[in-house]
Amino acid sequence: DAGVIQSPRHEVTEMGQEVTLRCKPISGHDYLFWYRQTMMRGLELLIYFNNNVPIDDSGMPEDRFSAKMPNASFSTLKIQPSEPRDSAVYFCASSSPTSGEETQYFGPGTRLLVL
Amino acid sequence: AQKVTQAQTEISVVEKEDVTLDCVYETRDTTYYLFWYKQPPSGELVFLIRRNSFDEQNEISGRYSWNFQKSTSSFNFTITASQVVDSAVYFCALSEETSGSRLTFGEGTQLTVNP
Repeated sequence: DAGVIQSPRHEVTEMGQEVTLRCKPISGHDYLFWYRQTMMRGLELLIYFNNNVPIDDSGMPEDRFSAKMPNASFSTLKIQPSEPRDSAVYFCASSSPTSGEETQYFGPGTRLLVL
Repeated sequence: AQKVTQAQTEISVVEKEDVTLDCVYETRDTTYYLFWYKQPPSGELVFLIRRNSFDEQNEISGRYSWNFQKSTSSFNFTITASQVVDSAVYFCALSEETSGSRLTFGEGTQLTVNP
């Protein structure tokens, strides 16, 4: 399996612009997670989906952030408008606890820099 | 609420030394999972091990070993005969059965192995 795929790997944008991060989970995994990593806050969960349905979005910082999962093989995390404090590494992860695979496997991350 | 504490922010050793990374967790659940992930300088999060709360057997994988003790709520990680390639940030994480599959991460321990 190719593992979790994220794109882009790096994104540099200017404040106010819309940013869209993309994730393809491991085939067969029914849980998908979005995490953010910063020096100040460490690794924090933003939102997760089960069978394409958002289960918990309490970690989403504010209304500027939105996430969707239109099908089992694709998810997006959108920031609109972006701000410099959104600069971070965003990780996507997937797992399949219903199949006994409790482990979350992470994608390579997207390094976002908002100027 | 679940919590993971990695009290060691940074550890520096000389190659071939043994090193133990500490992890203490808090949970009210009886069913939970503990994980260790490695984040090398390249930035990806690499899964190392998963343990469920009903399996207190220690595990050894090559130079890596893990000591799970429910009595002290600890899940420590030892690297034997450390190598320069072991230099990375190591994260301990916890997921509770009643909290869905969300992972709560510790703050991470930066391990530097010097030649």
